[in-house]
Amino acid sequence: EVQLVESGGGLVQPGGSLRLSCAASGFTFSRYWMHWVRQAPGKGLVWVSRINSDGSSTSYADSVKGRFTISRDNAKNTLYLQMNSLRAEDTAVYYCARDQSYGSGRDAFDIWGQGTMVTVSS
Amino acid sequence: DIQMTQSPSSLSASVGDRVTITCRTSQSISSYLNWYQQKPGKAPKLLIYAASSLQSGVPSRFSGSGSGTDFTLTISGLQPEDFATYYCQQSYSAPRTFGPGTKVDIK
Repeated sequence: EVQLVESGGGLVQPGGSLRLSCAASGFTFSRYWMHWVRQAPGKGLVWVSRINSDGSSTSYADSVKGRFTISRDNAKNTLYLQMNSLRAEDTAVYYCARDQSYGSGRDAFDIWGQGTMVTVSS
Repeated sequence: DIQMTQSPSSLSASVGDRVTITCRTSQSISSYLNWYQQKPGKAPKLLIYAASSLQSGVPSRFSGSGSGTDFTLTISGLQPEDFATYYCQQSYSAPRTFGPGTKVDIK
């Protein structure tokens, strides 16, 4: 079965750090570009970050640039999101998602994880 | 950044109804537009990609159309499992942006 499973969420104080993981299975992880998307409670979807298939290229939303780092370990079939200097406004469910386009530019997120909740609060 | 709007923001409909949701973008994005369905407490699900291509496994009652700045998602014959929130998303330029969502609930 093709699936993504996130972990690593939790409660963290403002200014703190957290690392999210996304374990992939059922497909050749190393062929796909991957993304993180977040959703604040009761709000809409917001794209956070993207990494290409071999990890050599990354992109970030302005709201997290300089604070978050996306990475991947293709040997472990795992995607990561290192989140530093966390703020209250980072509170959200974080989803990892597979880009079905193989980086062609016509990306569409065809497989999503179940999400992991990050709460930033004192 | 490309701004996305959706209309209506919510609608009430009955099983069997034909439902149309509109997405507009702040600049032309050709056909770089995707549609997702999200149910409460669940991850989004890809329905339509490249404006009009039906994702594998998605029922044919879902269809998408449009190009440039105006796009439409149509559900022909609403089913009980279709009550959800629908989001459009552009893949034309960075950063990728989503519409604010359209909630479809039961009349």
